[in-house]
Parts: sequence; structure tokens; C-alpha cells
Amino acid sequence: AQSVTQLGSHVSVSEGALVLLRCNYSSSVPPYLFWYVQYPNQGLQLLLKYTSAATLVKGINGFEAEFKKSETSFHLTKPSAHMSDAAEYFCASSSGGSYIPTFGRGTSLIVHP
Amino acid sequence: EAQVTQNPRYLITVTGKKLTVTCSQNMNHEYMSWYRQDPGLGLRQIYYSMNVEVTDKGDVPEGYKVSRKEKRNFPLILESPSPNQTSLYFCASSGGEGRNEQFFGPGTRLTVL
Repeated sequence: AQSVTQLGSHVSVSEGALVLLRCNYSSSVPPYLFWYVQYPNQGLQLLLKYTSAATLVKGINGFEAEFKKSETSFHLTKPSAHMSDAAEYFCASSSGGSYIPTFGRGTSLIVHP
Repeated sequence: EAQVTQNPRYLITVTGKKLTVTCSQNMNHEYMSWYRQDPGLGLRQIYYSMNVEVTDKGDVPEGYKVSRKEKRNFPLILESPSPNQTSLYFCASSGGEGRNEQFFGPGTRLTVL
């Protein structure tokens, strides 16, 4: 069975600071990994995904994530936070032919001026 | 435009009054699912469907029903709503392989009094 753990339900950063949101997965087979973002009063939208090509994945709005098999991690980063990055972020995994993704509990990113 | 639509977006009802939340996608996706989102609990899957006439329970199916008579539609039915079903509900669809991301609807905020 797969599981996804997001460390920290809330992360607070200052505008211009590095954003680091942590995600660890457990899977018995090579996973597909996703980061989604949910802006206030909206549905989730895809930020980026890893599907076993390059381990460093670039997404929208300057975000990127690195797949590290040895650490079973897929942390999300952005060099410089903007106020508009304030949102809920979800990490998810699926594998093989499984249609069914497993979501983490989400991390709320708070950006201070 | 590729999208998942949900209706209504907001609904206030009373205990025991049957309701249906509609979900429709225009991407010819095989896989559709329903989630509820509650503070501190992240996304929890209610039901999913891998194709027409094929549905299965997710993590929290009690008190809900679904049907998949057509590929594009996947309504969520609450036959006798209770206050503990007050939540934010999301419909999602996917192309049906593990590598494919989920497309989410805008959400339905349900309040049961």
C-alpha cells in the first residue's frame, strides 16, 4: 500500500525567502509523484509531476521538485516566495496501472510581507 | 476548454433532505472520483469509478451513493444528509493511468443544518 507524508501542516516564510515543502512517500514499486496547489476558494490544480524521466522536475510559477529514491522524498522548492504563493499544497503518489492516487494531508504555505 | 464542472457550488440544506451534487467532465476520462476536504484531514476519497457502471468505495463512503451511467457524469448522492457531512466536496477525473494527473472541479461547499 502506498502512503504519502507531508511534514508540517503549516509553513510560514517571508516574501523573497526560500520555500521548502516536504513530501515523503512509501511505495513498493516506482511511483509517479505529483504536487498540486489549491488557492483559496478554488479546486486543486497540478503544479508538477514526476513520471520517471528527469529526477528534477520544473513546474509552474517557478516551483520545482526533486525525486530522491534513496530518501523516498519529493520535496517542493521555490527560490523566492511571493505573496501570491500563499495556498494549500498537496503531494500525491500513484503507481503502475493504478488509477487511484494517494494524497498527503496538505501543507498550508503562509507568506509574510 | 477541458474542465470538470460541479453544481451547485454552494448548498445549505437540512438534515434528512436528499440532495445530489452533479459532476461532469469533457475530457473523455475513464476515471472519476469524489473527495471531501475537512480542516486537518486533507482530502479523503469517498467513491471512485474506473469506467461506466464500475464504481467502488473509497476511504469514507458511509452516507453517500454514486452512479456512473455515462462516461462524462458522476453524481454524488446524499440520501439522508447529516451535519457531519458538512464539508467541501471535490470531483476529479483522470485519463486512467497512474502517470496521469487528476483534474479537479471547483468544489461544492455543503452545509447540513
